[in-house]
Amino acid sequence: SQKIEQNSEALNIQEGKTATLTCNYTNYSPAYLQWYRQDPGRGPVFLLLIRENEKEKRKERLKVTFDTTLKQSLFHITASQPADSATYLCALRGGGNKLTFGTGTQLKVEL
Amino acid sequence: DAMVIQNPRYQVTQFGKPVTLSCSQTLNHNVMYWYQQKSSQAPKLLFHYYDKDFNNEADTPDNFQSRRPNTSFCFLDIRSPGLGDAAMYLCATSGGLAGLSETQYFGPGTRLLVL
Repeated sequence: SQKIEQNSEALNIQEGKTATLTCNYTNYSPAYLQWYRQDPGRGPVFLLLIRENEKEKRKERLKVTFDTTLKQSLFHITASQPADSATYLCALRGGGNKLTFGTGTQLKVEL
Repeated sequence: DAMVIQNPRYQVTQFGKPVTLSCSQTLNHNVMYWYQQKSSQAPKLLFHYYDKDFNNEADTPDNFQSRRPNTSFCFLDIRSPGLGDAAMYLCATSGGLAGLSETQYFGPGTRLLVL
């Protein structure tokens, strides 16, 4: 069956460090992968989309990699700030050409 | 600013009492989605409209219905809410030109509490 796995344990890092979040998937062949940010009690907000023929995508302090051989995407936030604390969801096109979300990883950036 | 608006932000209903959640958008997007999200879980797609075409997910309970009277508005009706329906309900839109899996724009959500 299709599965998207994100680390369910919260990631705690110190301000200024680089946060790295992982998204692994099985039984998908996605043309692209998306990352969203979700704050408590709010809807997800789109951050980045990376296509299967792109190895890396950057946007300001954010960087996403996509390895279709490993079936994995890494999401990096450099020079992290307390305001980056949130849950980060990855999303893939699943059956029926619809978007399927992972459960997300909670990031906490401490002073 | 173009956006997706959900009302109310918090809704309390009684067990078995019908409730309607609303969503409006100023993005002029073709596709509108309703998701259910429970604590620490992934958003779960309930159904979507592509223009006026309604598409129900196979595992969405019959208790959940939706209406889209025009491009801008979409409603989620829960006919007889049970305790298990307490959740955050998220409305989202997408342009629809690149298929359903393209970037989606979410509203702030409605938190439903069933007493």
